[in-house]
Amino acid sequence: AQRVTQPEKLLSVFKGAPVELKCNYSYSGSPELFWYVQYSRQRLQLLLRHISRESIKGFTADLNKGETSFHLKKPFAQEEDSAMYYCALRTGGGNKLTFGTGTQLKVEL
Amino acid sequence: NAGVTQTPKFQVLKTGQSMTLQCAQDMNHNSMYWYRQDPGMGLRLIYYSASEGTTDKGEVPNGYNVSRLNKREFSLRLESAAPSQTSVYFCASSVGDMGEQYFGPGTRLTVT
Repeated sequence: AQRVTQPEKLLSVFKGAPVELKCNYSYSGSPELFWYVQYSRQRLQLLLRHISRESIKGFTADLNKGETSFHLKKPFAQEEDSAMYYCALRTGGGNKLTFGTGTQLKVEL
Repeated sequence: NAGVTQTPKFQVLKTGQSMTLQCAQDMNHNSMYWYRQDPGMGLRLIYYSASEGTTDKGEVPNGYNVSRLNKREFSLRLESAAPSQTSVYFCASSVGDMGEQYFGPGTRLTVT
């Protein structure tokens, strides 16, 4: 069965410091990975997906099939990056997503 | 556009009571989903509907029923609520089975 692991419940960094939110997955087929974000008092929304290979709000994520990882990175954290981040995996047919447990990112001044 | 709306925002039920959570989207999306989120866990798919008139089970369907009333609406029913169903419930929709999922604001349900 597929699984998504986010090992850190909370990640606290200072403003301007690099950020890396870890995500590892377990799936025997060809995965499709996403990062979703939930800012305070806002809805869960898509941040980026590995297929598009784009940078959103300065964040990037590279799919590493050898390490089965899809870590989210940003070189310089901003206060507005503070939020809950979820890694998600889409497998097989349909649009069913398996979510990780989430990492709360706190950017301190 | 309101996007995905859910009612109610909060609900408290007694064990054994029934209720229906409502979800509607105004984006003309074909696919709709119901998730639950429990403390310390990720969102888990309860049921989804790939198109009007079709529904399918997700990871945790036991204790729930769904109805895809029309293209806009997808309801989730608890026939006999149990404390284990205390959770935050999220509805989502997407254009098709490969599209970005758009989420509602959630319904916080407590079963005592």
